[in-house]
Amino acid sequence: AQTVTQSQPEMSVQEAETVTLSCTYDTSESDYYLFWYKQPPSRQMILVIRQEAYKQQNATENRFSVNFQKAAKSFSLKISDSQLGDAAMYFCAYRTLASRLTFGEGTQLTVNP
Amino acid sequence: NAGVTQTPKFQVLKTGQSMTLQCAQDMNHNSMYWYRQDPGMGLRLIYYSASEGTTDKGEVPNGYNVSRLNKREFSLRLESAAPSQTSVYFCASHQKGNQPQHFGDGTRLSIL
Repeated sequence: AQTVTQSQPEMSVQEAETVTLSCTYDTSESDYYLFWYKQPPSRQMILVIRQEAYKQQNATENRFSVNFQKAAKSFSLKISDSQLGDAAMYFCAYRTLASRLTFGEGTQLTVNP
Repeated sequence: NAGVTQTPKFQVLKTGQSMTLQCAQDMNHNSMYWYRQDPGMGLRLIYYSASEGTTDKGEVPNGYNVSRLNKREFSLRLESAAPSQTSVYFCASHQKGNQPQHFGDGTRLSIL
């Protein structure tokens, strides 16, 4: 069974600085998809960024980027120029074409003004 | 642009009562999912439906039943609610492999 591990239950960052959230996963598959979701206090699940395992280039979406290390089974999220609105719970998730989405337990990010 | 709509948003039940949570999506997605999220934890899959007419158990199916009424709608039923089922329930839908799941806004369910 696939597992997703987020080893940082809580992280904090100063406004305008950069923070990196860690995620590792366990799989024997070679083709899969990875996602970061953001859950603000409103509890909505918002897609932040996604990465296909066959792509070597790291995905970026404005201030959000990933460091995808396939051999190490690592998928970290970097948030640059952190803003107060980035404060949320962040979930890493994994899926293959045939499997369902598996979530990590989340990292609570606090942004300090 | 509704996306995934869940009803109700909040509900309080007494132990032993039954309840159906409704979910509808307007994106013509094949797959639909029900998750629960307990405080401080990630989402755990209860049941899913890969396509209209099929349903399968997820990680935590005990105490729940589902119905894929048609392509748009996927309901979750608690036949005899228990306090351990107090949680926030999310419905999601998905079209195909590399596309992300789209989530509803959640239903906060409290069982006394």
